[in-house]
Amino acid sequence: AQKVTQAQTEISVVEKEDVTLDCVYETRDTTYYLFWYKQPPSGELVFLIRRNSFDEQNEISGRYSWNFQKSTSSFNFTITASQVVDSAVYFCALSEETSGSRLTFGEGTQLTVNP
Amino acid sequence: GAGVSQTPSNKVTEKGKYVELRCDPISGHTALYWYRQSLGQGPEFLIYFQGTGAADDSGLPNDRFFAVRPEGSVSTLKIQRTERGDSAVYLCASSLSWGAGGANVLTFGAGSRLTVL
Repeated sequence: AQKVTQAQTEISVVEKEDVTLDCVYETRDTTYYLFWYKQPPSGELVFLIRRNSFDEQNEISGRYSWNFQKSTSSFNFTITASQVVDSAVYFCALSEETSGSRLTFGEGTQLTVNP
Repeated sequence: GAGVSQTPSNKVTEKGKYVELRCDPISGHTALYWYRQSLGQGPEFLIYFQGTGAADDSGLPNDRFFAVRPEGSVSTLKIQRTERGDSAVYLCASSLSWGAGGANVLTFGAGSRLTVL
């Protein structure tokens, strides 16, 4: 069965600090996809990134970067020089090739960036 | 429309009543999904549609929950004999297709917050 664990329930940082959100997943499929979504107070989940299981290259997009390591089943998300607008709940999610586009989400990490 | 639209945004009802929640997906998106998010939790899958048919309804918690998508566009989630435990935010999402081996990116609506008193 697929499972996603986000051990950090809440993180609080001061603006301009770097912060890493952890994500650990479990799956029996060899082909799967990992996602990060952001949920601001408005409630709408916003897609950030998708990685497939065959591509372990780290990715950087502006202040965001992702570290995918199959050896540890982790897909961590780092925000560099955090800003107040980054405050939100962040969800890691997994979909398996055999389950279509059915996403399994983690519990989420509430990130608060203080000025 | 430009995004996924859900109505109502808030619904308060009494235990035992019937509720309908509506989702209008992005134009041209053939796949539609319903998720339920309880307070402090991640979204949980309920059902998804490819076109008019339910491709996977294994997440529906019991037979009080039912969803339809009669014309392959708008979908309605129906909850009969509501219980207090049904209180949650019901999220709808859509994607261009449902296949692609799990690669589809879902676009979510803002959700319908259901409160059962």
